[in-house]
Order: sequence, then C-alpha cells, then structure tokens
Amino acid sequence: EVQLVESGGGLVQPGGSLRLSCIASGFTFSRYSMNWVRQTPGKGMEWVSYISGSDGSIYYADSVRGRFTISRDNAKNSLYLQMNSLRAEDTAVYYCARGVYVDSWGQGTLVTVSS
Amino acid sequence: DIQMTQSPSTLSASVGDRVTITCRASQSISSWLAWYQQKPGKAPKLLIYKASTLESGVPSRFSGSGSGTEFTLTISSLQPDDFATYYCQQYNSYSRTFGQGTKVEI
Repeated sequence: EVQLVESGGGLVQPGGSLRLSCIASGFTFSRYSMNWVRQTPGKGMEWVSYISGSDGSIYYADSVRGRFTISRDNAKNSLYLQMNSLRAEDTAVYYCARGVYVDSWGQGTLVTVSS
Repeated sequence: DIQMTQSPSTLSASVGDRVTITCRASQSISSWLAWYQQKPGKAPKLLIYKASTLESGVPSRFSGSGSGTEFTLTISSLQPDDFATYYCQQYNSYSRTFGQGTKVEI
C-alpha cells in the first residue's frame, strides 16, 4: 500500500522558516516524480513544486520561487520542502503528492504563518 | 501560466441525476488533464487522468472527455457517496495548475 506521511508543519512568524518532510513507503520512491501541493479555504488547491524521480528536474510556482526549495533523498525515501521568508499567504495545508498527475496524496500538514 | 476555469462553482443535484462539470484551459493542454474528488477533511482522490482514463478502482459512473482547451467530467447517476468537491488539474506545462473546484451538493 502506498503511504505518504508529512511532518514539520506548525506555527511560524512572518519571515521565518520551516522544513516539511514526507516519508514514502509501499513503492519504489526513486522511480516517481513528487510534488508539494497546498490548499487554503480562500485559494483552493495550489501546486507548489515538482521534482522528478530521475533527471533532477525541479519546478516551482511563481508564488514560491526563490523562497522555497524542494529536494529528495531517494536512499531515505524522503521528500522535503524548505520554506524561507514565509508570508501570511503561505498559510495552508501542505500535501506531499506522487506523480506527474497525482495518484497518491499524504494526509497533509498545516502551516500557519502568523505573528 | 495556464489558467484553469471550472464551471459551475456549485452544483445542486439529487441522487440518480446525471451531472456534468466543465473545465476550460487558457491554452491548449492536449489531453494532459486530471480530475480529483475531495471530501471535507480528506486529501483529494484521483478519478481520471489523461482526460478520459479512469483510475483503477474508480466506479464506471465517472467519465471524462475533451482535449485541447475544453474538458468535462460526467457522473452518469449520482450516488450519495459522490457529494464532494471536484477539481481539474492540467499537467501539460511545468506549472501544474488546478481549477478552483466544483462543489456538488444536495
């Protein structure tokens, strides 16, 4: 069974940093591209970032480029999202999501940016 | 970025109804479109990919069609478990944008 388990969310002040992690199991992690997707009540679903399984391709949404960094450690079956210079509008539930189109989702981790 | 526009935003329907949701792309995305279902407090669930391919385990009452810029998700006979919010997502470009969602309610 495919499982994606996120961690690292929490409350952070504007301008602060946070690192999200996602541990994958039940499939050969290195063979799959991965994404971070976030959801807010006001803005709905927003794709944040993508990393390929093999060739190292990385893409970001315009709203986070230059502030967020996606990475993966295939040896640890883990996906990461380093979030710097956080803003109130980054407040959302962040999902770890597998695939070019997403066929598996984690349960989500809540990030709240507030003073 | 490619913009995805869903209509309607909210849809009121009854059990047994045929339901159609439309998703329009701001430019051609070929058939690189997925549909998801989301229930409150849960992660989304993949229903359809490549515009019309049903994900394994998804009931056959769900179907997708379209290519280029216009796509539809059809539920042939709405069941109680289908009351949820539905999202389209394009994956033609590196920026994988979602539609704003369609809430199907009683």
